[in-house]
Amino acid sequence: AQKITQTQPGMFVQEKEAVTLDCTYDTSDPSYGLFWYKQPSSGEMIFLIYQGSYDQQNATEGRYSLNFQKARKSANLVISASQLGDSAMYFCAMREGIIVQGAQKLVFGQGTRLTINP
Amino acid sequence: NAGVMQNPRHLVRRRGQEARLRCSPMKGHSHVYWYRQLPEEGLKFMVYLQKENIIDESGMPKERFSAEFPKEGPSILRIQQVVRGDSAAYFCASSPPSSGSTDTQYFGPGTRLTVL
Repeated sequence: AQKITQTQPGMFVQEKEAVTLDCTYDTSDPSYGLFWYKQPSSGEMIFLIYQGSYDQQNATEGRYSLNFQKARKSANLVISASQLGDSAMYFCAMREGIIVQGAQKLVFGQGTRLTINP
Repeated sequence: NAGVMQNPRHLVRRRGQEARLRCSPMKGHSHVYWYRQLPEEGLKFMVYLQKENIIDESGMPKERFSAEFPKEGPSILRIQQVVRGDSAAYFCASSPPSSGSTDTQYFGPGTRLTVL
């Protein structure tokens, strides 16, 4: 079974609109972390936002927020007031288990290609 | 504070040659991870290292691939006798010694390996 599922291969959004990128995950471990990364056409991986499984509130970082619904095992990324520079691939990732000696491996979804239209 | 450094950014090898990819973690980071990304796919974990130790190599192919993170110098991912299927982007990430909640991995710009 897929650990991380991103069901939207591609999305097209008008500039200044809000956009939600879907991510569902599968784990039986009570302790885990969820991450979103952005990969522009230049290829680098840019960390956007993190949500821990025990965090009581949804994470926010500027225009990015994470809609964390634990019972549904979903961790959707919301980008408010989209900009042309938001056009990129977006990856959801999960780390399972208790941190013992630093972070453990990340499992990535297949990604969503977001295109912002002017 | 410099980010994660990887070199070379692009590497071309012929089948049968060796490829050496280097990664210098962020200052203060002692944990290094290597991931591979095939075209139009997500990243796949390969190996997790700390200084002079391989912690988790569950994602490494059993043959031709090796990784090290010596006491001094960068981490090296080495691919011997490359084949066309090794063509991919190889990303290195680093994280600090466990600081509690986040332990975010910060990625380098990647090395694009092309095998002719």
